[in-house]
Amino acid sequence: DAGITQSPRHKVTETGTPVTLRCHQTENHRYMYWYRQDPGHGLRLIHYSYGVKDTDKGEVSDGYSVSRSKTEDFLLTLESATSSQTSVYFCAIGKDSSNQPQHFGDGTRLSIL
Amino acid sequence: AQTVTQSQPEMSVQEAETVTLSCTYDTSESDYYLFWYKQPPSRQMILVIRQEAYKQQNATENRFSVNFQKAAKSFSLKISDSQLGDAAMYFCAYRSALDYGGATNKLIFGTGTLLAVQP
Repeated sequence: DAGITQSPRHKVTETGTPVTLRCHQTENHRYMYWYRQDPGHGLRLIHYSYGVKDTDKGEVSDGYSVSRSKTEDFLLTLESATSSQTSVYFCAIGKDSSNQPQHFGDGTRLSIL
Repeated sequence: AQTVTQSQPEMSVQEAETVTLSCTYDTSESDYYLFWYKQPPSRQMILVIRQEAYKQQNATENRFSVNFQKAAKSFSLKISDSQLGDAAMYFCAYRSALDYGGATNKLIFGTGTLLAVQP
């Protein structure tokens, strides 16, 4: 398996609290991605990174921020969690060449009450 | 913008039989990649098969094969000799082959097809 670790695996928190999810890779891949998975929507891109300190928005970025201070770590932050952000969050990594598949972490199930 | 459509929310197949999952996509690009990912109850996202748009030959991986129809923008997945372990959610995904800098590798997913395998 590709060396991707997401933490935590599960989290329950309350509306209005800040939440940070971590993605750690040992593959030295340039690209890293955060997706959310919801029933009826498949996986949707939140934010992605194409290098240290280089990030950009995906299609569902409102309410989320990201940071990448090291190649191996990509953090997703919910500054003030809302119930609509209850979801399963996946991190993915990719090589430079676009014909290589992305590899996914095992996901984080986040519940916001 | 590109879109991916999976019109079958659920499918069922008998063990040892063959099943085909449908996927259509919309794009104005001529060069791209298509993928099928499997998500079992464990929640892992596992790459099943991929297809480069410039290749006319359909990709195959053991019991899994695709029917890629570029003109029709169709990319179906055929699973032969279905096994109980094939039961999972299957996602079709698209990625551009053009160089948009950091956006090059992002995947666009369909909504998934939940496959049940009956013993």
